[in-house]
Amino acid sequence: GEDVEQSLFLSVREGDSSVINCTYTDSSSTYLYWYKQEPGAGLQLLTYIFSNMDMKQDQRLTVLLNKKDKHLSLRIADTQTGDSAIYFCAEWNQAGTALIFGKGTTLSVSS
Amino acid sequence: GAGVSQSPSNKVTEKGKDVELRCDPISGHTALYWYRQSLGQGLEFLIYFQGNSAPDKSGLPSDRFSAERTGGSVSTLTIQRTQQEDSAVYLCASSLGEVSVGETQYFGPGTRLLVL
Repeated sequence: GEDVEQSLFLSVREGDSSVINCTYTDSSSTYLYWYKQEPGAGLQLLTYIFSNMDMKQDQRLTVLLNKKDKHLSLRIADTQTGDSAIYFCAEWNQAGTALIFGKGTTLSVSS
Repeated sequence: GAGVSQSPSNKVTEKGKDVELRCDPISGHTALYWYRQSLGQGLEFLIYFQGNSAPDKSGLPSDRFSAERTGGSVSTLTIQRTQQEDSAVYLCASSLGEVSVGETQYFGPGTRLLVL
């Protein structure tokens, strides 16, 4: 079945780059997403990438997609304390009726 | 414009009682989704609505869980005879619904349910 895996924790210092990694199983996934969840809040869509792209850049965010290895990464440049949150990688299920999420990577940014 | 709203934001109930959770999607969004976020389980899909019908209920964990949507808008998730393992954050999302795959889902703030 479909599955999305992420590492659970990442700790960086303010100003450094953060790289959050994700692997997925469904090679037919057309869109892959990154969501951010701040403490006590809902999920906020950060960015997404279409499967025919290798890279997408949006201000401080860079998404890299390696379809062959089914590997997705999110790079945050110049990480700030306000970036501390849980980051979820997601893909659509095969039926196209729901998103399948990883367990989330908790990013901790220290000053 | 207004985003997805959910109520109540927090709910504490006693084991065995029934609870109703409400979701108000973004105006004009025909697709609506319920997810559950539990400690250690991540985000689990519960049910998907397209309009008032639910083509995919495969994520509902037991027959104590049900959901309905009326008028193609507001949805209610009902949990009967609540158990302690039902304690979680229940998240609702909506999307335009014109095509399923590739559409962005917008999430509400969630309802935090605690069953004592």
